[in-house]
Amino acid sequence: EVQLVESGGGLVQPGGSLRLSCAASGFTFSSYWMHWVRQGPGKGLVWVSRINSDGKSTSYADSVKGRFTISRDNAKNTLSLQMNSLRAEDTAVYYCARATGQLDGMDVWGQGTTVTVSS
Amino acid sequence: SYVLTQPPSVSVAPGKTARITCGGNNIGGKSVHWYQQKPGQAPVLVIYYDSDRPSGIPERFSGSNSGNTATLTISRVEAGDEADYYCQVWDTSTDHPVFGGGTKLTVL
Repeated sequence: EVQLVESGGGLVQPGGSLRLSCAASGFTFSSYWMHWVRQGPGKGLVWVSRINSDGKSTSYADSVKGRFTISRDNAKNTLSLQMNSLRAEDTAVYYCARATGQLDGMDVWGQGTTVTVSS
Repeated sequence: SYVLTQPPSVSVAPGKTARITCGGNNIGGKSVHWYQQKPGQAPVLVIYYDSDRPSGIPERFSGSNSGNTATLTISRVEAGDEADYYCQVWDTSTDHPVFGGGTKLTVL
């Protein structure tokens, strides 16, 4: 079964750090681009970051640039998002999602992990 | 950056046809993907590349894209279609995906 499972969410104070992980199974992870998408409470979907299949190309939304770092380990079928200098507005459910290529739709999504930034 | 505009809500009676629009500057020149998200669940891709359906998505779901508007059409709407729907394109100016604000479909 094709599956993405996120972990690492939790409660963190403003200015703190958190590392999210996304474990992939049931498909050839190294062949796919991967994205992080977040959804604030009662809000819509917002793209956060993406990484290409070999990990050599990354991109970030302006709101997280310089604070978040996306990475992948194709040997371990794992996607990560290192989040530093967290702000209240980063509070959201974070989803990882796969896409076949740059312009393709995100055809498999994880169940999401919740990040709450609050003192 | 590229902006996608969706109506906040659309209502339709069961068995009727729902049309959800996604507006953007010359969106007809881009590839549009559509996602369905039910409460408490992750999004699901229902239409990709304007009008293609992933396996497992009913034929009742279809898409079109021309000019400044892309449209997701759901025929013979069922109660189970009630969800939020999001359009998405790739913004070539910023080199990343962009989502519309989402449309809540209510089945009356």
